Amino acid sequence: GAVVSQHPSWVICKSGTSVKIECRSLDFQATTMFWYRQFPKQSLMLMATSNEGSKATYEQGVEKDKFLINHASLTLSTLTVTSAHPEDSSFYICSAIVYGGALNIQYFGAGTRLSVL
Amino acid sequence: AQSVAQPEDQVNVAEGNPLTVKCTYSVSGNPYLFWYVQYPNRGLQFLLKYITGDNLVKGSYGFEAEFNKSQTSFHLKKPSALVSDSALYFCAVRDMDSGTYKYIFGTGTRLKVLA
Repeated sequence: GAVVSQHPSWVICKSGTSVKIECRSLDFQATTMFWYRQFPKQSLMLMATSNEGSKATYEQGVEKDKFLINHASLTLSTLTVTSAHPEDSSFYICSAIVYGGALNIQYFGAGTRLSVL
Repeated sequence: AQSVAQPEDQVNVAEGNPLTVKCTYSVSGNPYLFWYVQYPNRGLQFLLKYITGDNLVKGSYGFEAEFNKSQTSFHLKKPSALVSDSALYFCAVRDMDSGTYKYIFGTGTRLKVLA
């Protein structure tokens, strides 16, 4: 299956600092990637859709200035949590679309656990 | 509005017994349906999909799912559960109204397989 790499897997930062999370498609090109947030024992909340070469599309209620998304190449999308605060602590997961006829399967990274002190 | 429901927060089953994890959906048009599994502190792993064709879909790790259009269901099944199947399972449907490839996820069902 298609492989999506997410880095780092765990990050601890001080309140007020910014954190960058990378999502890479290793063996395919992904024109579209998605960023999710998952709270403990809850489902995934879609934050934004990241399209290569264009601005990300954010879901309602997600602050675009706080969660900066850049999809500069067909294999890399980044999520930057700016001026992080403890309430931003969460599990962030990315996924990438594999295009193939009617398949359009999303393949997921392993996730990044962010802890803001 | 499109939606996916997983009515059970948790399912317990004895090792070796058959398991079923339930999912129902509500979409406009023909659904694209998916099942994923999540192990602790990990991302989601793709198990199987239904796009069109046979109602019984076979996927990874011995899992299968049955698409039932009249009952708008897509239940995940396995004939003989393993302890290693214990994980969090998500059903998803492609959001056809969005014009993109976004998914709508269910709330997840925790499967516990008891030795």
